[in-house]
Amino acid sequence: GQQLNQSPQSMFIQEGEDVSMNCTSSSIFNTWLWYKQDPGEGPVLLIALYKAGELTSNGRLTAQFGITRKDSFLNISASIPSDVGIYFCAGQLDRDKIIFGKGTRLHILP
Amino acid sequence: DTGVSQDPRHKITKRGQNVTFRCDPISEHNRLYWYRQTLGQGPEFLTYFQNEAQLEKSRLLSDRFSAERPKGSFSTLEIQRTEQGDSAMYLCASSWAATDTQYFGPGTRLTVL
Repeated sequence: GQQLNQSPQSMFIQEGEDVSMNCTSSSIFNTWLWYKQDPGEGPVLLIALYKAGELTSNGRLTAQFGITRKDSFLNISASIPSDVGIYFCAGQLDRDKIIFGKGTRLHILP
Repeated sequence: DTGVSQDPRHKITKRGQNVTFRCDPISEHNRLYWYRQTLGQGPEFLTYFQNEAQLEKSRLLSDRFSAERPKGSFSTLEIQRTEQGDSAMYLCASSWAATDTQYFGPGTRLTVL
């Protein structure tokens, strides 16, 4: 089945640093998604990407849909304490179920 | 707040008992999804409905699991004869089929003792 490899598994950074995480797949997707999940809550959609090569920003977040349609990255600039959480990449082949990665856990050091 | 709601938020049960969870989607969303998330993993697809019709079921959905969406609005997920391996967060999401941007509820955390 389709699998997403997300890296890194976890990150420890200082407040104000930029963050970069990525996701690769063994098969193509037509849509790439990035979600954030806080403890005890459901995932919240951050960015959706619909075209290969697309680069999209949402505030301090920037994500790109890889040309091969098998990868995507998410950058967070100037991290702040509320960025702490788990970030999931996810893909959709058709407009239906989402395949999630295992997540990148972002920790911000005091 | 008109987001996806789930009830209960937490459920503790003994092995062998039946449990039922409810999901209320965003109003007028015609698609409703169920996912399961275990500790340290991303959500995994279980099943989804378009209106009342259950269109796809994952192999994860054993015969002890049944989902319904009788009137095309809220949905229920029932697990019969629960096992410890059923312990997980059960997430519901809804979308409008034309775009299928899925919005997730807060989840129901199930603990099977």
